[in-house]
Amino acid sequence: KAGVTQTPRYLIKTRGQQVTLSCSPISGHRSVSWYQQTPGQGLQFLFEYFSETQRNKGNFPGRFSGRQFSNSRSEMNVSTLELGDSALYLCASSFVKETQYFGPGTRLLVL
Amino acid sequence: DAKTTQPTSMDCAEGRAANLPCNHSTISGNEYVYWYRQIHSQGPQYIIHGLKNNETNEMASLIITEDRKSSTLILPHATLRDTAVYHCIVRVAGGGQKLVFGQGTRLTINP
Repeated sequence: KAGVTQTPRYLIKTRGQQVTLSCSPISGHRSVSWYQQTPGQGLQFLFEYFSETQRNKGNFPGRFSGRQFSNSRSEMNVSTLELGDSALYLCASSFVKETQYFGPGTRLLVL
Repeated sequence: DAKTTQPTSMDCAEGRAANLPCNHSTISGNEYVYWYRQIHSQGPQYIIHGLKNNETNEMASLIITEDRKSSTLILPHATLRDTAVYHCIVRVAGGGQKLVFGQGTRLTINP
């Protein structure tokens, strides 16, 4: 069974731009969660989607948003990028409320 | 979710068993213990989880004390590829999919 896939793997943007990251969960998984990892803050939870609805949200500003499609694929969007948004963005999927499996991540660099 | 305490770093010789401890003294009766590891710049990899019984899979063994206040992850025959940061996490089964990661234990396997 294929794992969680994330695209793109690497991305360079400039301050003020917006970015959209994509996540395809493991087949059959309906829950998708997003995390941000930075050297200073470690791994932090952004939000979780289940059946196209946001079910849980971390403590991030409104510039960070996401959505989930009927096929469980998910996207997250960051608007008005700041230098501090440079990070590894990780997506994890699970079957309903079971073990989460992570993708390889998207490394975003904001210049 | 309960907090966990892990040593910052550990070393182990290749071929020996690596024993990684985790304290979770405030764990609740319905919280599972999960272990993930993260190799540099990759997404966290699920290793094993358990509630109160010892668990074993192809990757590792998990030993949970009878009072459930601590646990040990055992990699029976460590290889150089096991060098990674290991995270011990407790979460409620069936609860929200927010995983709270600490700094973990940086395990170095030496040849």
